[in-house]
Amino acid sequence: AQRVTQPEKLLSVFKGAPVELKCNYSYSGSPELFWYVQYSRQRLQLLLRHISRESIKGFTADLNKGETSFHLKKPFAQEEDSAMYYCALKWMNSGYSTLTFGKGTMLLVSP
Amino acid sequence: DTEVTQTPKHLVMGMTNKKSLKCEQHMGHRAMYWYKQKAKKPPELMFVYSYEKLSINESVPSRFSPECPNSSLLNLHLHALQPEDSALYLCASSHGGRNSGNTIYFGEGSWLTVV
Repeated sequence: AQRVTQPEKLLSVFKGAPVELKCNYSYSGSPELFWYVQYSRQRLQLLLRHISRESIKGFTADLNKGETSFHLKKPFAQEEDSAMYYCALKWMNSGYSTLTFGKGTMLLVSP
Repeated sequence: DTEVTQTPKHLVMGMTNKKSLKCEQHMGHRAMYWYKQKAKKPPELMFVYSYEKLSINESVPSRFSPECPNSSLLNLHLHALQPEDSALYLCASSHGGRNSGNTIYFGEGSWLTVV
């Protein structure tokens, strides 16, 4: 069965420190991974998808199929990065694309 | 435009009330979704509509009744809800169709409180 694991509920760092939010997945098919961010009481926003290999707001993530991981990284955290981050796996549910989310990691960046 | 619009933003209803949540998108997407998100938890899939037909129902209680009047609109009719149904209800859409590889975009959500 498909599964997304985010081992850290909370990650607290100081401004300017590097950040890595971990995500591991389990899926028998060809995975498509995403990172979504949810700022306090705002909509869930797409941050990154592995197929586009882009950098958004300084964040990057690389799909490592060998380690079944899709960790989110940023070299220098900013206070405005404080939010809940969800790793998500798109998979075929009865032939239709759906997302399964990890439990999320709250990132707190202190001044 | 990658916007999914949901109304109302906030809804308080009694356990005997009947209310509806509405969702709209004008991106030409043919797949639309309802997700439920409890506080500090990830979103959980409730329903998937593809080309205006209900494709997936994740064993959701019948007190939640989805409806897709046309390709741009998705409703969630609520009746006889319980306090534990209080949550953020998220609508999402994507280009859809079977075996589609497109991104899923989310609305801001409707905060529902059942009293």
